[in-house]
Amino acid sequence: EDQVTQSPEALRLQEGESSSLNCSYTVSGLRGLFWYRQDPGKGPEFLFTLYSAGEEKEKERLKATLTKKESFLHITAPKPEDSATYLCAVQAGGNQGGKLIFGQGTELSVKP
Amino acid sequence: DTGVSQNPRHKITKRGQNVTFRCDPISEHNRLYWYRQTLGQGPEFLTYFQNEAQLEKSRLLSDRFSAERPKGSFSTLEIQRTEQGDSAMYLCASSFPPGVDEQFFGPGTRLTVL
Repeated sequence: EDQVTQSPEALRLQEGESSSLNCSYTVSGLRGLFWYRQDPGKGPEFLFTLYSAGEEKEKERLKATLTKKESFLHITAPKPEDSATYLCAVQAGGNQGGKLIFGQGTELSVKP
Repeated sequence: DTGVSQNPRHKITKRGQNVTFRCDPISEHNRLYWYRQTLGQGPEFLTYFQNEAQLEKSRLLSDRFSAERPKGSFSTLEIQRTEQGDSAMYLCASSFPPGVDEQFFGPGTRLTVL
């Protein structure tokens, strides 16, 4: 069964304190791995797509990396406005259609 | 605004009532998805359309749930005989394949069943 697990469930950082969020996955043929940011009461906001092991993508203070079994979202020198829930999702290959399978998310809080 | 829109944003209903939600995707996107999200969890897939064809339905989608996408434009999700367990955020997303497709989400409809 396709599955995504994120850790930790919650992370508290001081402003400027870099850290990483983990996304472990099992999927029958990965077509893509996605990272989203979600603010309270809002829909997920697309951040990155990763397609193959070894791939990296960056956006401002965020960098996403991918291996064959997991992905990391690295946050460098975070600011309070980076506080949100970060969601990881996978899209399977074959006849799985386009649906995304999400993890439960990591709730990030950055204190000034 | 060219993003995905959903209406209403909030819906409070009594158990046993029927409710209907609407989603308007990004105009050139031919795939439309419905997800459900409960507090502290990631979104769970419900169903998706390519143009007007409903291509997949989750086992989570009981017979009380029905979705349509007439003419391949907007979509509606109806829940009949609502139950308290239906309380959740209902999210709509759209994308434009082929290939690996990034899905863009709307703001969601928060359903509360009393």
